[in-house]
Amino acid sequence: AQSVSQHNHHVILSEAASLELGCNYSYGGTVNLFWYVQYPGQHLQLLLKYFSGDPLVKGIKGFEAEFIKSKFSFNLRKPSVQWSDTAEYFCAVSYTGTASKLTFGTGTRLQVTL
Amino acid sequence: DTGVSQDPRHKITKRGQNVTFRCDPISEHNRLYWYRQTLGQGPEFLTYFQNEAQLEKSRLLSDRFSAERPKGSFSTLEIQRTEQGDSAMYLCASSLEGPLTEAFFGQGTRLTVV
Repeated sequence: AQSVSQHNHHVILSEAASLELGCNYSYGGTVNLFWYVQYPGQHLQLLLKYFSGDPLVKGIKGFEAEFIKSKFSFNLRKPSVQWSDTAEYFCAVSYTGTASKLTFGTGTRLQVTL
Repeated sequence: DTGVSQDPRHKITKRGQNVTFRCDPISEHNRLYWYRQTLGQGPEFLTYFQNEAQLEKSRLLSDRFSAERPKGSFSTLEIQRTEQGDSAMYLCASSLEGPLTEAFFGQGTRLTVV
């Protein structure tokens, strides 16, 4: 079965610290990769996506992610987090031929302290 | 706001009762998805429609669950004879057709079965 693993369940950082959240997916052919963010009380919003091309993708709010095919990974990074980045982050994958059906990881709760 | 809207936002029901949720997708989106999210987990795929046709159902969708999208616009998800294990957030998402599309999510309906 297709699966996505997010190894960090809860991360606490001080403002201005750097962030890296891990995401690994199971092999299933050609993939599309996504990071979604869910701020408290809000709906899931797309942070960034990878379909093809440059494996380093930039998203909104200073986030970026790198697709490493050999490692089946799509880690999310931000050089300097802000208090407003406190949220839950979900990595998701869709496999070619699956009509954009998403398989999500369990999420990482990020808490940024002042 | 022209995003995905879901109604109701919250539903509390007694075990054994039937409940129905509604989702209105982004108007030009012909794909519509239902996901379920329980505490501490990422969203799990339930079913999806392309226009009015229901093209895939997860094994998570037991016989007590039924979804419709009668005119290819809004969709309903009905749960019959609710059980406590049905308590979850039910998310709707929509997207355009095609391999390189992203899904937009609604705010969800939180179901509590008492």
